[in-house]
Parts: sequence; structure tokens; C-alpha cells
Amino acid sequence: SQTIHQWPATLVQPVGSPLSLECTVEGTSNPNLYWYRQAAGRGLQLLFYSVGIGQISSEVPQNLSASRPQDRQFILSSKKLLLSDSGFYLCAWSPSESRDTQYFGPGTRLTVL
Amino acid sequence: RKEVEQDPGPFNVPEGATVAFNCTYSNSASQSFFWYRQDCRKEPKLLMSVYSSGNEDGRFTAQLNRASQYISLLIRDSKLSDSATYLCVALGAGRRALTFGSGTRLQVQP
Repeated sequence: SQTIHQWPATLVQPVGSPLSLECTVEGTSNPNLYWYRQAAGRGLQLLFYSVGIGQISSEVPQNLSASRPQDRQFILSSKKLLLSDSGFYLCAWSPSESRDTQYFGPGTRLTVL
Repeated sequence: RKEVEQDPGPFNVPEGATVAFNCTYSNSASQSFFWYRQDCRKEPKLLMSVYSSGNEDGRFTAQLNRASQYISLLIRDSKLSDSATYLCVALGAGRRALTFGSGTRLQVQP
């Protein structure tokens, strides 16, 4: 069966510090991968998606970036965090042949102070 | 206007009650629809897909009205464990990822 992992689970970072969040998927090959952010009391906002290694599409311009160095690894980064980057970051995957059903990781709760 | 809109609630209902949530979407080209459930401080989990003909899964019934561009979720015989936020989700034609509503919070009370 497929599983998706994210870490860390919780993170508190000062403004201006760098960020690296990691997501890995097991039990499937060539998945579509997604990064979402959920701000407090708001819906999920798609940040990035990837259909393959090295292929990243950005949905929202901002100070975040994403990379996919391996088939089942997706990384979200920032060089300098802003207060507005606080939120719940969720990684998701879907089968390569389908975009419909997406499965979410447990998420990383980021607080920028 | 948001692509997917939901009443944020909260809906406070007693155990055993029937509750219905509605959701509207603005992109008429949207092809697929889903309801996700999200518990407090947890990740969303797929509850059910929504088919044009309507579909049922136990106590849950989902319906789609393409003409009016709305989706509904009916929960019968509410349980305490149904307390959560329910997210309405659409996938538009040519889109890469899902568009989520902000969610409707349900609180089932004993």
C-alpha cells in the first residue's frame, strides 16, 4: 500500500530564516506530487505541483520554491521566511494516470515569529 | 468570487439528526467533484466522490447539480464522530490540481 510522509510535523522559525520541508511517498512510482498551504481558518491553496523528476509548476508567485530531486521526494523551500508564510503545509500525491483522487500527508505546521 | 464556496458554519446538530451541506462552484468546466473530511489540525481525507447521478455510501449521500453548479452532502443519523470540517472540492478541465472550498464545520452534540 502507498504511504506518504512529511517532516517535520511542527516547526517554529524566525522571520528571515530558511525553510526546508520534505515529503516522501512509498509504494508507488511516478506519482503526481503537490504542495498545498492552509492558513488558519481558510481553504487549501495549491502552491506547487510536479508530474515528474525535476518538473515543477508554480501556481502562486511567492518567496517559496519546490524541488523534486527523486521520483518520490518533494521538497518545499524558502531562503527567507515571512510572517505570512505561517500555516499548515500539506503534501499530496495522486497516481500518475489520474489527477482526481489525491492523498494527503500528515502535514507540517509552520509558525513564523 | 471564490471558485468553490461553502457556508463555513458551524452546524451544531444533535446526535441522530440529518444534516445537509451545500457547495457552489463557479467554473462550469469543472469535471470531477469530491467531499473531503478534515479533523482539527489533521490532513484532509477523501470522504467520497460525487457523481452526476448521485451516490450513497452508508449514511452519506452526495449529489451534483451541473445546471445550478452546486454539490450537496447529506449525512443521516449523525454520530459524534462525524464532527469535523467538510471540504467541497472541484477539479476543472485542464487543471492540474484540486480546488478546495474553505470548508463547513460540523459539530454533533450528545
